[in-house]
Formats: sequence, C-alpha cells, structure tokens
Amino acid sequence: AQSVSQHNHHVILSEAASLELGCNYSYGGTVNLFWYVQYPGQHLQLLLKYFSGDPLVKGIKGFEAEFIKSKFSFNLRKPSVQWSDTAEYFCAVKNTGGFKTIFGAGTRLFVKA
Amino acid sequence: DAGVTQSPTHLIKTRGQQVTLRCSPKSGHDTVSWYQQALGQGPQFIFQYYEEEERQRGNFPDRFSGHQYPNYSSELNVNALLLGDSALYLCASSLNRGQNSPLHFGNGTRLTVT
Repeated sequence: AQSVSQHNHHVILSEAASLELGCNYSYGGTVNLFWYVQYPGQHLQLLLKYFSGDPLVKGIKGFEAEFIKSKFSFNLRKPSVQWSDTAEYFCAVKNTGGFKTIFGAGTRLFVKA
Repeated sequence: DAGVTQSPTHLIKTRGQQVTLRCSPKSGHDTVSWYQQALGQGPQFIFQYYEEEERQRGNFPDRFSGHQYPNYSSELNVNALLLGDSALYLCASSLNRGQNSPLHFGNGTRLTVT
C-alpha cells in the first residue's frame, strides 16, 4: 500500500535559516507529488506539485522541492525562512491515473523572529 | 476565501448517533474527496465522489457513507458514532479532467463525539 513518511514532526528555526523538510513515499509506479501548507487558522493549500519533467519544482513564496526517483524522495527546501512561514507542511502522493491522494503526518515549522 | 465551503464548522454528537456533514466544491470542480484528520496526524482518505458515484474508498468502515448531488455538492454521513470518530473532517474538490488537478480544501468540520 502507498504510504508517505515525513521525517520531522516539529522543526524550529530562526529567521533567515535554511529549511529542508524530508519526505519519502512508498509506491513503485509513476506518481504525482505535492506539498501542501496550512498556515495558522487557514485551510490546507497547495504549495507546489510535481507531475513530470524537471525534477526540481518551484512553488509559491520561494519554496522548491526536488524529486529523486531512485530515493523515492520529494524534499522541500527554502534558502531563507521568514516568520510568516510558520505553518504545518504536508507531503502527499497520488499514483498517476489513480484517484486518492495520500498524505504524510505533517511537519510543524515554527520560525522565531 | 477557501472556495470550498463546509458546514457546519463544529458539531458535538453523542456515541451511537448519526451525523451528516456537507460540502460545496470550488466553482468549476466536479470531484469531491473526503478526509478525516485526527489530532497530530495527516489527512486520511475516506472516499472520493465523481459523477454522483463513489469511485474509490479508503480503509473506513461502512458506517461512513456519502453522496454527491448533480450540482457536485456532497455529503458525508457517519452512523453509529464512536468516540474515535472525533476528528476534523475535510472536504477537498478537484477537476477530474486530466487527473492532474490538485486538491482544494475547505476549512473542515470539527466533530466531537462524547
């Protein structure tokens, strides 16, 4: 069965620090990959997505993620975080041609001003 | 503005009761997925509706059922509520066309079972 593993449940960083959140999935076929973000008091929203092509994808607010097929990974990065990046981040996977999107347990990021 | 609207926002029920949660998808979307999010966990897939049919289901018992109407809105019904059903229930809409449409989420319904 498909599953998504996020390595860190809680991350605390100071402003301007670099961010990398790990995500690994288990599925042998072709996948679509996503990062969703939930800011305090808001709904889950899409941060970035990978469907095909360039494995380095860029999303909103300076976030990027790299798909490494051989490692079944889709790690999220940002060179310099801001206080406003405080949120919960979810990695998600859907097999191409399938219907359900599977989510990881989430990583809570707190950025100290 | 979430685009996807869910009602009610909060609900308190007693064990054994039944509950109905409602969802209106984002304008232009035709597919609705329901998720359960327990505290400290990621959203767990319950099922997805398209063309008024349930087309995929997660590992949830038959107590969980749903419906989609011709206007694409959807309901989630849970019968014989258990304490463990207490969670945030999320509705997400998407476009079936191309199958690469990401999910758009509502703010959720917080269900508490006492």
